[in-house]
Amino acid sequence: KAGVTQTPRYLIKTRGQQVTLSCSPISGHRSVSWYQQTPGQGLQFLFEYFSETQRNKGNFPGRFSGRQFSNSRSEMNVSTLELGDSALYLCASSLGTGPNSPLHFGNGTRLTVT
Amino acid sequence: DAKTTQPPSMDCAEGRAANLPCNHSTISGNEYVYWYRQIHSQGPQYIIHGLKNNETNEMASLIITEDRKSSTLILPHATLRDTAVYYCIVRPDTAGTALIFGKGTTLSVSS
Repeated sequence: KAGVTQTPRYLIKTRGQQVTLSCSPISGHRSVSWYQQTPGQGLQFLFEYFSETQRNKGNFPGRFSGRQFSNSRSEMNVSTLELGDSALYLCASSLGTGPNSPLHFGNGTRLTVT
Repeated sequence: DAKTTQPPSMDCAEGRAANLPCNHSTISGNEYVYWYRQIHSQGPQYIIHGLKNNETNEMASLIITEDRKSSTLILPHATLRDTAVYYCIVRPDTAGTALIFGKGTTLSVSS
C-alpha cells in the first residue's frame, strides 16, 4: 500500500507570497491532519479534516488554511508568507479520528521563505 | 504541553536491546500511549500504541506499567538504522488527531 504522498518535496518562496501544499492520504484513509515542524517549536498541530470538514484547528493565525476534497486528498495554503513560516510541513492520514487509529505521516514539504 | 517525560538522549550498541522509557504520570484511563520515531529529514514513523496491555508488533514491544504511569519501548535488536528521535505521546480520546509532540529521546546506535 502506498504511503502518504506530499508534493512538492521542497519549495522556496518570497516573503509576502502565498503557497499551496498538497497531500494524498493512504488509500482508504478519510482523516488528514497537518503539522508544522521547526527547530524552535518542534512539531505542532495545524488542523484536521475528516469527510471534507475541518474538525480541529491548532493555534495558528488565519493565514494558514486548508481543505479536503471528496477523495480525501487535502491541500493547505499559507498566505502572505513570513520568514518564520519556513518549516517542514507534514501531512498525516488515518482511518478515523479516534484515539485507537494511528496517524501515518508523509515525508513532508520543506518550505523556505526568503 | 506534552504530558510525557523522556530522557533527552540514549546510546545503544548494535545488536543489543534498546529500552526507551517514558513517564506519563497524569495519564487518564481512556488515553492511549503512542510511540513514533523520526529519522532526520523524514516524517515521523508510527511504531506502536497501547492502552493498558503490553503490545508487540514487527518493529517493537510496548510495556505499560500496571498503574499506567510509565511505559517502555523495546527495540529487541537495535541496528544502525534505528538511530532516530523517539517520541512518546499520550493521546486523549477527545483531541481527534491533534497529537502533542514533546522533545523526544535521541537514540544513537553504534557499532
